[in-house]
Amino acid sequence: KAGVTQTPRYLIKTRGQQVTLSCSPISGHRSVSWYQQTPGQGLQFLFEYFSETQRNKGNFPGRFSGRQFSNSRSEMNVSTLELGDSALYLCASSFDQSTDTQYFGPGTRLTVL
Amino acid sequence: TQLLEQSPQFLSIQEGENLTVYCNSSSVFSSLQWYRQEPGEGPVLLVTVVTGGEVKKLKRLTFQFGDARKDSSLHITAAQPGDTGLYLCAGDSGYSTLTFGKGTMLLVSP
Repeated sequence: KAGVTQTPRYLIKTRGQQVTLSCSPISGHRSVSWYQQTPGQGLQFLFEYFSETQRNKGNFPGRFSGRQFSNSRSEMNVSTLELGDSALYLCASSFDQSTDTQYFGPGTRLTVL
Repeated sequence: TQLLEQSPQFLSIQEGENLTVYCNSSSVFSSLQWYRQEPGEGPVLLVTVVTGGEVKKLKRLTFQFGDARKDSSLHITAAQPGDTGLYLCAGDSGYSTLTFGKGTMLLVSP
């Protein structure tokens, strides 16, 4: 069965712009979680969606938002980009609970100039 | 805030050596997962430990969960270049999300 896919793989933006990242989970998985990974902070939880509803949220500003569609595909949006938003953004899907085994996509590498 | 401290942060060894990496916390976790992340990829689950004192083996990798379920270790025997990667531990503290450590970057040279 196909794994988690993320698009695009690489993105370069400038400060003040906004960006939308996409994630397609493994077929049958209903939970989608988003993480930000940086060398200094490691993997930090952004939010989790389940059945089109945000179920859990990490400690990130409101500039970070997301949504989930009826087919479980998810998008995250970052508005008013800052230099510090440069990171690898990882999407992970799991069958039900976000504490179940997480299947990660390859990530989107975002660079903010 | 639940914190997981991983040590060492970076480890560079020669092929054939043994190594141990650690994952420690002051909090109790109901389960702990270990992942390996290779460059350009997302993390991949290696093992989940659930019971205090539990030991699981995956070929040359041995995982142990502390008796108090606050810490875990990963021991690799006779490391190979294919073991190179970032090793992450992640704990389930019962707050519906996983807490990840910052990881141990392992480099195994031929």
